[in-house]
Amino acid sequence: AQSVTQLDSQVPVFEEAPVELRCNYSSSVSVYLFWYVQYPNQGLQLLLKYLSGSTLVKGINGFEAEFNKSQTSFHLRKPSVHISDTAEYFCAVNSGGSNYKLTFGKGTLLTVNP
Amino acid sequence: GAGVSQSPSNKVTEKGKDVELRCDPISGHTALYWYRQRLGQGLEFLIYFQGNSAPDKSGLPSDRFSAERTGESVSTLTIQRTQQEDSAVYLCASSLSQGSGSPLHFGNGTRLTVT
Repeated sequence: AQSVTQLDSQVPVFEEAPVELRCNYSSSVSVYLFWYVQYPNQGLQLLLKYLSGSTLVKGINGFEAEFNKSQTSFHLRKPSVHISDTAEYFCAVNSGGSNYKLTFGKGTLLTVNP
Repeated sequence: GAGVSQSPSNKVTEKGKDVELRCDPISGHTALYWYRQRLGQGLEFLIYFQGNSAPDKSGLPSDRFSAERTGESVSTLTIQRTQQEDSAVYLCASSLSQGSGSPLHFGNGTRLTVT
């Protein structure tokens, strides 16, 4: 079975500060990892994904995430956030070669304050 | 191009009534998924369609829930005899293929409130 834990349900930060949203997963096989973002009153959209290769992946809007197999983590980072980054962020894992049972974490609400 | 479209965007219904939620996937996307998002929770997988294959219904929470898809187009999720615990946002997503790297494209969801 696979599972995803997002350790922080809410992360408030000030504009231009760095941010890290934590994600840990469990799976007995190789995984594919994703971060999705849900802006207020909008649907989820893909932020970035790790399939293979370089463990540091870059996504849209200046976000990046690092896959750490030994720590089973896939933390999301941004060096300087903007007000417009306020949204809910979901980490997701897929294992076993099938996309359809993408397992999502409970989400982290990032609130960027001026 | 057009994204995944869901209707209605909001639905308020009385306990015990049936509701039907609609999803129009992106044209050409063979895979279609339904998820449920309860307040403060992650996304809960409900059902998956891939082309003409038998759907994976393993996530449906009870026999009050059912879903259909016409070919590779519109899908409807039906909830019979709604209960208050069915209140949630129901999200539909489509993807180009079943490949593990294919991203899901989500609709804006239908917010269902059962009173």
